[in-house]
Amino acid sequence: DTAVSQTPKYLVTQMGNDKSIKCEQNLGHDTMYWYKQDSKKFLKIMFSYNNKELIINETVPNRFSPKSPDKAHLNLHINSLELGDSAVYFCASRGAGQETQYFGPGTRLLVL
Amino acid sequence: GNSVTQMEGPVTLSEEAFLTINCTYTATGYPSLFWYVQYPGEGLQLLLKATKADDKGSNKGFEATYRKETTSFHLEKGSVQVSDSAVYFCALGGTASKLTFGTGTRLQVTL
Repeated sequence: DTAVSQTPKYLVTQMGNDKSIKCEQNLGHDTMYWYKQDSKKFLKIMFSYNNKELIINETVPNRFSPKSPDKAHLNLHINSLELGDSAVYFCASRGAGQETQYFGPGTRLLVL
Repeated sequence: GNSVTQMEGPVTLSEEAFLTINCTYTATGYPSLFWYVQYPGEGLQLLLKATKADDKGSNKGFEATYRKETTSFHLEKGSVQVSDSAVYFCALGGTASKLTFGTGTRLQVTL
């Protein structure tokens, strides 16, 4: 009965590859987010979707493409991976009218 | 734009010591303020929050008071335990509930 889940938990890949990270929430929330946490633990928002519509799109390279097939899922596809993409990616969700965000366990991406 | 400044870590304390982690913010309006905690190898969890000036958020012995006059939201605990060892993030809410995080402060508690 995990609230926000992410797959995979770890991802090791070569530069230039394309990879996807998946996120699912069973909280019935309307809004979902992707955050990137770098090696110094700094967290920065990347995207947010509300009811499958993109509402926040920070300055992120267009190699990153989020996709929300339904309210409960928000996936992140990354093309042509670069060394600097190595980080922990966190998914989060939030209910309508609430401010608290609930985070997934993170996906640790290492690009070699 | 919004920004959050946290004290540099790591903070190393002995068990039962008093903890303060400083957090100040810059924002337009009166955003909600949050403390999130990240235990090793895990995602972030909400620790406490405050939604307006002079509100005090509290949870698990931790407290923080929303101080509008000093634009601060310092985290305190009277007696830390080894199990409190984690990274603590101060954050403020913004448009579309976008969270702006501080850089995080690592707390290490030793016996």
